[in-house]
Amino acid sequence: QKEVEQNSGPLSVPEGAIASLNCTYSDRVSQSFFWYRQYSGKSPELIMSIYSNGDKEDGRFTAQLNKASQYVSLLIRDSQPSDSATYLCAVLESNYQLIWGAGTKLIIKP
Amino acid sequence: GAVVSQHPSRVICKSGTSVKIECRSLDFQATTMFWYRQFPKQSLMLMATSNEGSKATYEQGVEKDKFLINHASLTLSTLTVTSAHPEDSSFYICSAQEAGDTTQYFGPGTRLLVL
Repeated sequence: QKEVEQNSGPLSVPEGAIASLNCTYSDRVSQSFFWYRQYSGKSPELIMSIYSNGDKEDGRFTAQLNKASQYVSLLIRDSQPSDSATYLCAVLESNYQLIWGAGTKLIIKP
Repeated sequence: GAVVSQHPSRVICKSGTSVKIECRSLDFQATTMFWYRQFPKQSLMLMATSNEGSKATYEQGVEKDKFLINHASLTLSTLTVTSAHPEDSSFYICSAQEAGDTTQYFGPGTRLLVL
């Protein structure tokens, strides 16, 4: 059974600091990786996708992928209270099935 | 771009009745649509995957006769919860995927309450 692991949290970060969210996966040949944000009572919304090793930046968000170590992370710079949410990592397996992590709850404290 | 809508956003029904939920891709053609269910404070659970014009593929443990899925066009998929019971009360979310793209775009979800 292929797995995607995330620390459930909650991860508490002071406002203005960098929030670092991590995700590990078991399928070595996975090629597509996604970070979604889900506010309480709402549906997930796509933050970023990443396909190649290294960093990908979009505004305050940076996704980092290391296929050799099988982890993908999401950094949020200058964290704001509005960033408080559950962050879901999703990995597309070699059989094209999307496997979801259970999510990390992030709390940004003013 | 990549906007997905769901209707209704919230529905309350009596036990034993059927409820239909619509999922539409507004600005792209969705060759594949996914239906998820999420109970409070729990993870997303994939119920089924549907490809336009084909029968849906259901995940293990999901009753295909109870959760009827139709994906008759490239912009519309429907989920019908038949003979709903209180335990079917949940947050139902669809997502849509365009041909050649591995990204899933989510609808806003439908909150179902069965009394």
